[in-house]
Amino acid sequence: DGGITQSPKYLFRKEGQNVTLSCEQNLNHDAMYWYRQDPGQGLRLIYYSQIVNDFQKGDIAEGYSVSREKKESFPLTVTSAQKNPTAFYLCASSMSDRDTDTQYFGPGTRLTVL
Amino acid sequence: AQSVSQHNHHVILSEAASLELGCNYSYGGTVNLFWYVQYPGQHLQLLLKYFSGDPLVKGIKGFEAEFIKSKFSFNLRKPSVQWSDTAEYFCAVNMGNAGNMLTFGGGTRLMVKP
Repeated sequence: DGGITQSPKYLFRKEGQNVTLSCEQNLNHDAMYWYRQDPGQGLRLIYYSQIVNDFQKGDIAEGYSVSREKKESFPLTVTSAQKNPTAFYLCASSMSDRDTDTQYFGPGTRLTVL
Repeated sequence: AQSVSQHNHHVILSEAASLELGCNYSYGGTVNLFWYVQYPGQHLQLLLKYFSGDPLVKGIKGFEAEFIKSKFSFNLRKPSVQWSDTAEYFCAVNMGNAGNMLTFGGGTRLMVKP
């Protein structure tokens, strides 16, 4: 069953703690993305990776970090420096970074910081 | 700054009514255009996309969209909606960005009354 998996579905953390969100894909895609979804604001790009061992900041990278050590995995760490971390986080992937490649999305992780 | 606007935040229709959701972007160069849909509890999925050619594109589930370059618009239409079309709809645009980066609109929540 091919696709993108994100875990966990719901995540609760105390303020000041770092937390890592998982994203795995078995589509053999080179490019992967992290978005944040807030009501009324659509999706905003946090980080993206065009290929293994490379990643670039998106529009709202402050307070987040990523790694891309394996093609199939692109974990996102929400650090204590992120001022408003409570949100719905979506991971996506595409075959390559060509601007005509469709991005496919995972089910998302809802993070609540208490 | 490059942006994508969806002016209708909430739309309520009765079944069999016609639908048109607006999408405008601010970029004068070549664009690639997408409409995504997020059904309740499901992944964000692609409805349709436009890269070049016929500006009227057809997607899944009877949806279509028309690219009007002079108006910087890519409106989504469906002649007759069904209750199952209840979802949130997102317009996304690649505005000449490297790395297949998409800029999303704020989304439109559609509720179809049976």
